Amino acid sequence: EVQLVESGGGSVQPGGSLRLSCAASGFTSRAYWMHWVRQAPGKGLVWVSRMNHDASITTFADSVKGRLTVSRDNAKNTVYLQMNSLRAEDTAVYYCAREASGTGNWYFDLWGRGTLVTVSS
Amino acid sequence: SYELTQPPSVSVSPGQTARITCFTDALPNQYAYWYQQKPGQAPVLLIYKDSERPSGIPERISGSRSGTTVTLTIRGVRAEDEADYYCQSADSSGTWVFGGGTKLTVL
Repeated sequence: EVQLVESGGGSVQPGGSLRLSCAASGFTSRAYWMHWVRQAPGKGLVWVSRMNHDASITTFADSVKGRLTVSRDNAKNTVYLQMNSLRAEDTAVYYCAREASGTGNWYFDLWGRGTLVTVSS
Repeated sequence: SYELTQPPSVSVSPGQTARITCFTDALPNQYAYWYQQKPGQAPVLLIYKDSERPSGIPERISGSRSGTTVTLTIRGVRAEDEADYYCQSADSSGTWVFGGGTKLTVL
């Protein structure tokens, strides 16, 4: 089955760190650009980051620049989101999403179910 | 960066047509995409490149564009269409953005 499964969410204090993982199965993730999208409780979707096939190109939303980094282990078919200096406003469900292949196909064709990150003292 | 503007809510009776708009000054240069999200679930792609429908999406769901505004149209609305709908776009710098979302209520 083609799917993405996120893990690593949990509760963390402000200023703390957390690393999320997104395991791909049923397809070769290294063939795709991969993204992270988050959704605060009761709020809308917010794009967080984008990473190319070998993580040599990464882009971040202004709200997370300098605090979040992304990486991938193509041998494990897994991508990661390292979150540092966490703030209460980072509390959200974090989704891993696959960018559709093909030139100009700037949309998500596969999503994980998300993992909840709660930043609170 | 730019923003995509959607109405917070749209309400229609069953069988009627729902139209959800998404506006930005930047849209003339980029395609828009639409997703449906039901509570507790991940989003599902409904429309890509303004008006293309992925396989499995019914014909009563369509997308269109007029200048800087794209519109998602759902004809013959059913109770199961009650959900949040998001438009999304991206620019050549690699920045992606979602609209604020529209809650569709089926009366």
